[in-house]
Amino acid sequence: AQSVTQLGSHVSVSEGALVLLRCNYSSSVPPYLFWYVQYPNQGLQLLLKYTTGATLVKGINGFEAEFKKSETSFHLTKPSAHMSDAAEYFCAVNAGKSTFGDGTTLTVKP
Amino acid sequence: DTGVSQDPRHKITKRGQNVTFRCDPISEHNRLYWYRQTLGQGPEFLTYFQNEAQLEKSRLLSDRFSAERPKGSFSTLEIQRTEQGDSAMYLCASSPWTGGYGYTFGSGTRLTVV
Repeated sequence: AQSVTQLGSHVSVSEGALVLLRCNYSSSVPPYLFWYVQYPNQGLQLLLKYTTGATLVKGINGFEAEFKKSETSFHLTKPSAHMSDAAEYFCAVNAGKSTFGDGTTLTVKP
Repeated sequence: DTGVSQDPRHKITKRGQNVTFRCDPISEHNRLYWYRQTLGQGPEFLTYFQNEAQLEKSRLLSDRFSAERPKGSFSTLEIQRTEQGDSAMYLCASSPWTGGYGYTFGSGTRLTVV
Protein backbone atom coordinates (compact mmCIF):
# COMPACT_ATOMS: atom_id res chain seq x y z
CA ALA A 1 0.00 0.00 0.00
CA GLN A 2 1.13 3.54 -0.67
CA SER A 3 -0.19 7.01 0.05
CA VAL A 4 0.77 10.67 -0.19
CA THR A 5 -0.11 13.58 2.06
CA GLN A 6 0.48 17.15 0.92
CA LEU A 7 0.31 19.57 3.82
CA GLY A 8 -1.40 22.80 2.84
CA SER A 9 -3.80 22.89 -0.08
CA HIS A 10 -2.90 26.53 -0.72
CA VAL A 11 0.44 28.28 -0.32
CA SER A 12 0.99 31.96 -1.03
CA VAL A 13 4.40 33.61 -1.30
CA SER A 14 5.74 36.92 -2.50
CA GLU A 15 7.79 37.09 -5.66
CA GLY A 16 11.42 36.45 -4.76
CA ALA A 17 10.57 34.57 -1.57
CA LEU A 18 11.37 30.95 -0.75
CA VAL A 19 8.89 28.34 -1.95
CA LEU A 20 8.35 25.28 0.28
CA LEU A 21 5.70 22.71 -0.60
CA ARG A 22 5.42 19.77 1.76
CA CYS A 23 4.94 16.10 0.90
CA ASN A 24 4.93 13.05 3.13
CA TYR A 25 4.50 9.54 1.80
CA SER A 26 4.03 5.98 2.91
CA SER A 27 5.14 2.96 0.95
CA SER A 28 5.67 -0.70 1.80
CA VAL A 29 8.58 -0.89 -0.67
CA PRO A 30 11.42 1.50 -1.50
CA PRO A 31 9.63 4.30 -3.28
CA TYR A 32 10.11 6.31 -6.40
CA LEU A 33 8.97 9.87 -5.67
CA PHE A 34 7.87 12.56 -8.08
CA TRP A 35 6.68 16.14 -8.22
CA TYR A 36 4.42 17.24 -11.07
CA VAL A 37 3.19 20.73 -11.94
CA GLN A 38 -0.14 21.55 -13.56
CA TYR A 39 -0.72 24.95 -15.12
CA PRO A 40 -4.29 26.07 -15.80
CA ASN A 41 -5.97 24.13 -18.60
CA GLN A 42 -2.90 21.97 -19.15
CA GLY A 43 -1.89 18.40 -18.33
CA LEU A 44 0.48 17.45 -15.54
CA GLN A 45 4.16 17.91 -16.30
CA LEU A 46 7.01 16.12 -14.54
CA LEU A 47 9.04 18.56 -12.45
CA LEU A 48 11.56 16.20 -10.85
CA LYS A 49 11.97 12.68 -9.53
CA TYR A 50 13.85 10.60 -6.99
CA THR A 51 14.62 6.97 -7.76
CA THR A 52 17.90 5.96 -6.12
CA GLY A 53 21.22 7.58 -5.27
CA ALA A 54 21.58 11.24 -4.39
CA THR A 55 18.79 12.32 -2.07
CA LEU A 56 18.78 15.93 -3.25
CA VAL A 57 17.35 16.08 -6.75
CA LYS A 58 17.08 19.06 -9.06
CA GLY A 59 14.35 19.64 -11.57
CA ILE A 60 13.19 22.14 -14.11
CA ASN A 61 12.62 25.83 -13.45
CA GLY A 62 14.99 25.94 -10.47
CA PHE A 63 13.01 23.55 -8.25
CA GLU A 64 14.63 20.90 -6.10
CA ALA A 65 13.49 18.31 -3.57
CA GLU A 66 15.17 16.26 -0.88
CA PHE A 67 14.30 12.66 -0.07
CA LYS A 68 14.42 12.04 3.68
CA LYS A 69 13.73 8.39 4.41
CA SER A 70 13.70 8.83 8.20
CA GLU A 71 11.00 11.49 7.90
CA THR A 72 9.20 9.84 4.92
CA SER A 73 9.26 13.24 3.28
CA PHE A 74 9.97 14.69 -0.15
CA HIS A 75 9.48 18.45 0.18
CA LEU A 76 9.76 20.71 -2.86
CA THR A 77 11.69 23.97 -2.66
CA LYS A 78 12.72 26.90 -4.80
CA PRO A 79 14.93 29.67 -3.43
CA SER A 80 13.20 32.54 -5.21
CA ALA A 81 9.61 32.44 -6.47
CA HIS A 82 8.67 33.85 -9.85
CA MET A 83 5.23 34.87 -11.01
CA SER A 84 5.33 32.10 -13.59
CA ASP A 85 5.57 29.49 -10.80
CA ALA A 86 1.91 29.99 -9.95
CA ALA A 87 0.31 26.60 -10.58
CA GLU A 88 -0.89 23.45 -8.83
CA TYR A 89 1.77 21.02 -7.66
CA PHE A 90 1.28 17.32 -7.06
CA CYS A 91 3.52 14.90 -5.19
CA ALA A 92 3.36 11.24 -6.20
CA VAL A 93 4.76 7.94 -4.96
CA ASN A 94 5.27 5.02 -7.31
CA ALA A 95 5.69 1.38 -6.51
CA GLY A 96 4.19 -0.04 -9.71
CA LYS A 97 1.63 2.64 -10.33
CA SER A 98 1.65 6.18 -8.99
CA THR A 99 -0.48 7.44 -6.13
CA PHE A 100 -0.91 11.20 -6.08
CA GLY A 101 -1.51 13.68 -3.32
CA ASP A 102 -4.40 16.12 -3.48
CA GLY A 103 -2.17 18.94 -4.66
CA THR A 104 -1.01 22.33 -3.43
CA THR A 105 -1.98 25.50 -5.24
CA LEU A 106 0.88 27.98 -5.26
CA THR A 107 0.04 31.67 -5.55
CA VAL A 108 2.83 34.18 -6.15
CA LYS A 109 2.14 37.78 -5.14
CA PRO A 110 3.91 40.65 -6.88
CA ASP B 1 6.97 12.52 -31.14
CA THR B 2 4.01 14.77 -30.28
CA GLY B 3 3.54 13.44 -26.75
CA VAL B 4 0.38 11.90 -25.35
CA SER B 5 -2.80 12.81 -27.22
CA GLN B 6 -6.33 12.56 -25.88
CA ASP B 7 -9.55 12.92 -27.78
CA PRO B 8 -11.95 14.59 -27.34
CA ARG B 9 -10.84 17.48 -25.13
CA HIS B 10 -14.36 18.06 -23.90
CA LYS B 11 -17.47 15.89 -23.85
CA ILE B 12 -20.93 16.83 -22.67
CA THR B 13 -23.38 13.95 -22.45
CA LYS B 14 -26.80 13.24 -21.02
CA ARG B 15 -27.13 10.95 -18.05
CA GLY B 16 -27.54 7.35 -19.15
CA GLN B 17 -25.59 7.71 -22.39
CA ASN B 18 -22.37 5.84 -23.17
CA VAL B 19 -19.14 7.70 -23.87
CA THR B 20 -15.77 6.61 -25.19
CA PHE B 21 -12.45 8.40 -24.90
CA ARG B 22 -9.26 7.75 -26.82
CA CYS B 23 -5.64 8.05 -25.79
CA ASP B 24 -2.58 7.83 -28.05
CA PRO B 25 0.56 7.37 -25.94
CA ILE B 26 4.17 8.05 -26.82
CA SER B 27 4.97 5.29 -29.27
CA GLU B 28 8.02 3.93 -27.42
CA HIS B 29 6.17 3.67 -24.09
CA ASN B 30 4.99 0.23 -23.00
CA ARG B 31 2.82 1.38 -20.13
CA LEU B 32 -0.40 3.34 -20.40
CA TYR B 33 -2.42 4.65 -17.45
CA TRP B 34 -5.87 6.10 -16.97
CA TYR B 35 -6.60 8.44 -14.08
CA ARG B 36 -9.60 10.54 -13.09
CA GLN B 37 -9.31 13.98 -11.51
CA THR B 38 -12.03 16.03 -9.86
CA LEU B 39 -11.80 19.61 -8.61
CA GLY B 40 -9.57 19.94 -5.58
CA GLN B 41 -8.35 16.36 -5.76
CA GLY B 42 -5.28 14.68 -7.11
CA PRO B 43 -5.43 12.19 -9.97
CA GLU B 44 -7.16 8.96 -8.92
CA PHE B 45 -5.94 5.71 -10.45
CA LEU B 46 -8.38 3.85 -12.71
CA THR B 47 -6.40 1.24 -14.63
CA TYR B 48 -3.16 0.57 -16.45
CA PHE B 49 -1.76 -1.52 -19.27
CA GLN B 50 1.59 -2.96 -20.13
CA ASN B 51 1.51 -3.35 -23.88
CA GLU B 52 -1.95 -4.85 -24.57
CA ALA B 53 -2.33 -6.51 -21.16
CA GLN B 54 -4.49 -4.77 -18.56
CA LEU B 55 -2.49 -5.33 -15.40
CA GLU B 56 -4.64 -3.64 -12.77
CA LYS B 57 -8.03 -2.05 -12.41
CA SER B 58 -9.07 0.02 -9.43
CA ARG B 59 -11.48 -1.70 -7.07
CA LEU B 60 -13.28 1.63 -6.84
CA LEU B 61 -14.17 1.37 -10.51
CA SER B 62 -17.64 0.12 -11.23
CA ASP B 63 -18.46 -2.38 -13.96
CA ARG B 64 -19.72 0.51 -16.07
CA PHE B 65 -16.09 1.40 -16.83
CA SER B 66 -14.02 -0.60 -19.30
CA ALA B 67 -10.73 0.04 -21.01
CA GLU B 68 -8.88 -1.59 -23.87
CA ARG B 69 -5.52 -1.28 -25.51
CA PRO B 70 -5.63 -3.40 -28.65
CA LYS B 71 -2.24 -4.24 -30.12
CA GLY B 72 -0.53 -2.28 -27.38
CA SER B 73 -0.90 1.05 -29.12
CA PHE B 74 -3.78 3.48 -28.47
CA SER B 75 -6.26 2.90 -25.67
CA THR B 76 -9.96 3.57 -25.21
CA LEU B 77 -11.89 4.15 -22.01
CA GLU B 78 -15.64 3.57 -22.17
CA ILE B 79 -18.19 4.59 -19.57
CA GLN B 80 -21.61 3.01 -19.94
CA ARG B 81 -24.84 4.49 -18.57
CA THR B 82 -23.13 7.67 -17.41
CA GLU B 83 -24.09 9.25 -14.09
CA GLN B 84 -23.60 12.80 -12.87
CA GLY B 85 -20.90 11.56 -10.51
CA ASP B 86 -18.83 10.55 -13.52
CA SER B 87 -18.25 14.22 -14.37
CA ALA B 88 -14.49 14.72 -14.08
CA MET B 89 -11.29 15.17 -16.02
CA TYR B 90 -10.05 11.86 -17.42
CA LEU B 91 -6.28 11.76 -17.75
CA CYS B 92 -4.16 9.41 -19.79
CA ALA B 93 -0.44 8.97 -19.21
CA SER B 94 2.30 6.76 -20.57
CA SER B 95 5.75 5.68 -19.43
CA PRO B 96 8.48 3.23 -20.33
CA TRP B 97 7.97 -0.14 -18.69
CA THR B 98 9.76 0.83 -15.50
CA GLY B 99 8.06 3.30 -13.16
CA GLY B 100 11.20 5.22 -12.36
CA TYR B 101 10.86 7.45 -15.41
CA GLY B 102 7.68 9.15 -14.30
CA TYR B 103 4.64 9.73 -16.47
CA THR B 104 4.00 11.83 -19.53
CA PHE B 105 0.42 13.05 -19.33
CA GLY B 106 -1.99 14.08 -22.01
CA SER B 107 -4.11 17.21 -21.65
CA GLY B 108 -7.10 15.19 -20.52
CA THR B 109 -10.74 14.80 -21.54
CA ARG B 110 -13.21 16.81 -19.51
CA LEU B 111 -16.52 14.96 -19.15
CA THR B 112 -19.68 16.74 -18.09
CA VAL B 113 -22.78 14.63 -17.47
CA VAL B 114 -26.00 16.63 -17.49
